[in-house]
Amino acid sequence: NAGVTQTPKFQVLKTGQSMTLQCAQDMNHEYMSWYRQDPGMGLRLIHYSVGAGITDQGEVPNGYNVSRSTTEDFPLRLLSAAPSQTSVYFCAIGAYEQYFGPGTRLTVT
Amino acid sequence: GENVEQHPSTLSVQEGDSAVIKCTYSDSASNYFPWYKQELGKGPQLIIDIRSNVGEKKDQRIAVTLNKTAKHFSLHITETQPEDSAVYFCAASMLQGAQKLVFGQGTRLTINP
Repeated sequence: NAGVTQTPKFQVLKTGQSMTLQCAQDMNHEYMSWYRQDPGMGLRLIHYSVGAGITDQGEVPNGYNVSRSTTEDFPLRLLSAAPSQTSVYFCAIGAYEQYFGPGTRLTVT
Repeated sequence: GENVEQHPSTLSVQEGDSAVIKCTYSDSASNYFPWYKQELGKGPQLIIDIRSNVGEKKDQRIAVTLNKTAKHFSLHITETQPEDSAVYFCAASMLQGAQKLVFGQGTRLTINP
């Protein structure tokens, strides 16, 4: 998947727990994004970054935090997980031609 | 904001036949329209894209057409093969800020042998 790695692949959380989804790239792209994928709803943009130190909100940012301290890494934080955050999460790099990572399947019980 | 509608949600065709997936968008300022293919358990993969200054683009068995007046664009796959079976997503955005893609709901394409 074009040098984009995501960890973990699977995660189960209890309501109220926190966790960080990791995304790393080795292609030196300035642009990185986080999407969530839910059945019948396509992919929806959560947060994105245009470079180290610069982040902005996407379509569905509530309940998620991001930071970008290096070009390589763009972690997504869930501060207090809710069942509505059960989804598959994808990290992508690039502005126009976006390359997606393999995804993290998150279940919140 | 932009809204993208995609049809059909499922499509089944015989191997060798053609498949067409259609999308409409709402924001006339959108000028970049990519298509992604997602195989089971993997992330989406860009297969073709089109910009608003072009009405049609072709890459081997895949073509995309764009009608800016009607605000719709379509993916055409000819001579379908079993490996074309996947979920396909259309998306739209403005070239300035292209990373803010708005996706359609997806089409599950099944190629029957």
